[in-house]
Amino acid sequence: RKEVEQDPGPFNVPEGATVAFNCTYSNSASQSFFWYRQDCRKEPKLLMSVYSSGNEDGRFTAQLNRASQYISLLIRDSKLSDSATYLCVVPPAWGGKLIFGQGTELSVKP
Amino acid sequence: GAVVSQHPSRVICKSGTSVKIECRSLDFQATTMFWYRQFPKQSLMLMATSNEGSKATYEQGVEKDKFLINHASLTLSTLTVTSAHPEDSSFYICSARSPEGEKLFFGSGTQLSVL
Repeated sequence: RKEVEQDPGPFNVPEGATVAFNCTYSNSASQSFFWYRQDCRKEPKLLMSVYSSGNEDGRFTAQLNRASQYISLLIRDSKLSDSATYLCVVPPAWGGKLIFGQGTELSVKP
Repeated sequence: GAVVSQHPSRVICKSGTSVKIECRSLDFQATTMFWYRQFPKQSLMLMATSNEGSKATYEQGVEKDKFLINHASLTLSTLTVTSAHPEDSSFYICSARSPEGEKLFFGSGTQLSVL
């Protein structure tokens, strides 16, 4: 099992749709998780942090399932501006290097 | 929030030349910085961990003599691509951990094109 693995994309959805991505991780000791958003040829920007069961920020909801070792990102009422690549990041419990998922590309169409 | 500044944003150079990329933490001290490389349509690949005052830790497969990393102060790390070749053309991004240690803040990236 890869350390961090994301749903392969791309996801092509119409404006207003609800879309969800999953990210599985292998290290059961991981305590915190992050979703980053990356636009083409730009640096990743932190979207959401997940420390317990989940987190919600407006149209974005992140949920953590420790038993199955995955986190999900739900985007409601998709906007054209949500089009980007979403990266799942899992820091190891001992504070070493962050592990990035391969990214899930989202394309929101009019 | 914490800010990381990276320069230059774009470099076009001839094959065989060396290119230096700077990464600065502007409002916090970063004892550790990370350098990533990203090819089109691929995820960020960690190249090395830059440690202030000591040698960088390179990931498997990354040539330390080709990608020279210097972290001489708590706010500056540099990556020098020596004798660049077209296959080194990529998007290079630096990052630093937030003061509390968990989140990463990224520089804006450097697009390197080697002709």
